[in-house]
Amino acid sequence: KQEVTQIPAALSVPEGENLVLNCSFTDSAIYNLQWFRQDPGKGLTSLLLIQSSQREQTSGRLNASLDKSSGRSTLYIAASQPGDSATYLCAVRPEGFQKLVFGTGTRLLVSP
Amino acid sequence: GAVVSQHPSRVICKSGTSVKIECRSLDFQATTMFWYRQFPKQSLMLMATSNEGSKATYEQGVEKDKFLINHASLTLSTLTVTSAHPEDSSFYICSARAGAVDTEAFFGQGTRLTVV
Repeated sequence: KQEVTQIPAALSVPEGENLVLNCSFTDSAIYNLQWFRQDPGKGLTSLLLIQSSQREQTSGRLNASLDKSSGRSTLYIAASQPGDSATYLCAVRPEGFQKLVFGTGTRLLVSP
Repeated sequence: GAVVSQHPSRVICKSGTSVKIECRSLDFQATTMFWYRQFPKQSLMLMATSNEGSKATYEQGVEKDKFLINHASLTLSTLTVTSAHPEDSSFYICSARAGAVDTEAFFGQGTRLTVV
């Protein structure tokens, strides 16, 4: 059974810092991994999608890496801003399944 | 990215009544739609997967007679919570995918259901 874990559960940083969010999964047989952002009481916004054959994806100040063999992914946020404050979720799509399996999330607070 | 619209965003209903939540893909045809449930400060738990024109596949422990899912067209799926009880109060989120399993999933804004 695929399990996804995110560390840390919560993170508080001052504005301008670069930061790394971690995601680990127990079964390396995945189609892809996706990072999402969720604001309180809202749905999910897709940030980055990494296919199993890819090593990383970049979008603006965000960079996500994937090491499938070790079951790890990181989301790097450069020059953090207060508007980045949200919960960040990673999710994997296991091979043979249509569904996404979500991690527990990291609650990020960026202070001005 | 593609847009998934979910309606209503909030609903309050009395115990014993039924509530319908709609999920629409606005600018793409969703071959597969998913319904998730999220408890406060917890992650998303998949309830069911539906493919257009066929019956939904429910996850273990999810009552199919209580949570009715209809995916009648490539742009619309509905979740009906029947005979709602306070323990059904939760945040429900739908997701849609346009193509193969390696394509991106897009999510609706979520529906906050409160059963009183």
